[in-house]
Amino acid sequence: GAVVSQHPSRVICKSGTSVKIECRSLDFQATTMFWYRQFPKQSLMLMATSNEGSKATYEQGVEKDKFLINHASLTLSTLTVTSAHPEDSSFYICSARDPAGVTDTQYFGPGTRLTVL
Amino acid sequence: DAKTTQPPSMDCAEGRAANLPCNHSTISGNEYVYWYRQIHSQGPQYIIHGLKNNETNEMASLIITEDRKSSTLILPHATLRDTAVYYCIVRINFGNEKLTFGTGTRLTIIP
Repeated sequence: GAVVSQHPSRVICKSGTSVKIECRSLDFQATTMFWYRQFPKQSLMLMATSNEGSKATYEQGVEKDKFLINHASLTLSTLTVTSAHPEDSSFYICSARDPAGVTDTQYFGPGTRLTVL
Repeated sequence: DAKTTQPPSMDCAEGRAANLPCNHSTISGNEYVYWYRQIHSQGPQYIIHGLKNNETNEMASLIITEDRKSSTLILPHATLRDTAVYYCIVRINFGNEKLTFGTGTRLTIIP
């Protein structure tokens, strides 16, 4: 299946700093990428849908000014957590849709574990 | 609104077939049934999907009832590496239709 990578896999930062997470589709072009967040022992919650060349669409309750999403190319989307606080500590997972694939489904990255001290 | 219902947990002996049920009684005619799994601290992995016919791939088989109100994911010969949370999701199969994850079934393979 299609491969999606994320970088970094793990990050620890101080409260008040900003953290950027990259999501790349390695062997296909993804016009749409999705960002999810998962707290311990909970399911994945969709944060936003990222479309190449246009503004992201955020789910209800997700602050667009805090979670900045940029999808500048067909293989790269970035999520920046601005002014991070301990409550932002979570597992952030991206996925990318492969429209040319057999299944037209989403393929997920390995996730980024963010810890804010 | 919960579109699917799954048992919270199941155990299966190593080497046996693992049968994971999913109820989706309100599924629409144009919605597909998707299965993903998530191994601890990893991103979800696509397994299989189907509309109304049974499907099989190298990972699993998907059996969908004739009325499409329920389905079963079958892992034919479970191994310890199949221990994961399995998510059953119904979704329209086009465009940017998002995936909505429920709580899934935590499958534990017993040696």
